[in-house]
Amino acid sequence: NAGVTQTPKFQVLKTGQSMTLQCAQDMNHEYMSWYRQDPGMGLRLIHYSVGAGITDQGEVPNGYNVSRSTTEDFPLRLLSAAPSQTSVYFCASSYSSGLAGESTDTQYFGPGTRLTVL
Amino acid sequence: SQKIEQNSEALNIQEGKTATLTCNYTNYSPAYLQWYRQDPGRGPVFLLLIRENEKEKRKERLKVTFDTTLKQSLFHITASQPADSATYLCALDLLGGGYNKLIFGAGTRLAVHP
Repeated sequence: NAGVTQTPKFQVLKTGQSMTLQCAQDMNHEYMSWYRQDPGMGLRLIHYSVGAGITDQGEVPNGYNVSRSTTEDFPLRLLSAAPSQTSVYFCASSYSSGLAGESTDTQYFGPGTRLTVL
Repeated sequence: SQKIEQNSEALNIQEGKTATLTCNYTNYSPAYLQWYRQDPGRGPVFLLLIRENEKEKRKERLKVTFDTTLKQSLFHITASQPADSATYLCALDLLGGGYNKLIFGAGTRLAVHP
């Protein structure tokens, strides 16, 4: 398994440009999320999905759109990039086996996309 | 207001000693609490999960405690090694069930010196 993959690794945008950050997982996980990480702050949840066709907002959704047409893919779209969106973006996926005594709810994170908006 | 706090200063310890990291939170009632390791330029890696009805959980050299009255979790690494040097993140899972709605602390950087 490749786990959670993200592309691109690095991206530089100009203010006002749009782009899509790609995220894919090959573990058949139902749950997927996008977080951003800024210096000195914890990861903050942007959007999450509990299955194909179902998405919801997290803590900092403004300026971002998501869709989940398949179990495997969860792209994050920046509609009109702003300097405040300069950050490192992480995609994560998870499942819950529900088995007693098991370590369920493990989240698997991708390697991240480092985005700079000029 | 709701807050989750970890020691902002780096923790420096000698190899072989026990490292203890603290996670405090206010105005949350998490179902689970999770700990992650993050190395520079990499994504977080899941280490341990503890549920609200569990007091302690162990995995190899790692131990986590969870006190819902004090609203605090302690993360211990025994017999620490230089390879344990990293940033450690705690995260509150408000829903449980793997729904990925986590609230993260800013992390504590641990440096283990030979």
